[in-house]
Amino acid sequence: AQSVTQLDSQVPVFEEAPVELRCNYSSSVSVYLFWYVQYPNQGLQLLLKYLSGSTLVKSINGFEAEFNKSQTSFHLRKPSVHISDTAEYFCAVTPYSSASKIIFGSGTRLSIRP
Amino acid sequence: DTEVTQTPKHLVMGMTNKKSLKCEQHMGHRAMYWYKQKAKKPPELMFVYSYEKLSINESVPSRFSPECPNSSLLNLHLHALQPEDSALYLCASSQDLTVSNQPQHFGDGTRLSIL
Repeated sequence: AQSVTQLDSQVPVFEEAPVELRCNYSSSVSVYLFWYVQYPNQGLQLLLKYLSGSTLVKSINGFEAEFNKSQTSFHLRKPSVHISDTAEYFCAVTPYSSASKIIFGSGTRLSIRP
Repeated sequence: DTEVTQTPKHLVMGMTNKKSLKCEQHMGHRAMYWYKQKAKKPPELMFVYSYEKLSINESVPSRFSPECPNSSLLNLHLHALQPEDSALYLCASSQDLTVSNQPQHFGDGTRLSIL
């Protein structure tokens, strides 16, 4: 079985400050890793994904995440946040053996203060 | 703009009503999904269709009835719902069910309120 832990339910930061949203996972099989973002009153949008290759993946809006196999982590970072980054962020995994299933973390609400 | 379109955006219904939620995608995806999301929680998988056939039913009550009339459309028929069924219902699609053809693309959801 797989599980995803997002330790921080809420992360308040000031605008233009750096942020890190933590994600750890547990799995006995190989997994595909994702970060999804959900803006208020919207569905989920894919932010980043990692399947293989370079362990550092980047999005077009300045977020990046690094896969760390030894620590089973996939933390999300941004060096300078904007008000528009206010949203709920979900870390998720999909096991290679069952690609129809996404196991979501409980989510982290990122709130940006001016 | 999302490539998965869900209608209606909002729905209020009584416990004796019958209504349907609709989902459409034109990306040529052959796997489609229904999720239920309660406030401040992650989405929970309800149903998965693969090549228009029901692949997974996550022990969902029979008052929810999915239908996949063709490769672009996915419906969720609702009947005799309970107040605890009030939630955001999300549709998603992916190329197919292989891991290399993930991820899933989500619609903006239908916010359902049961009176």
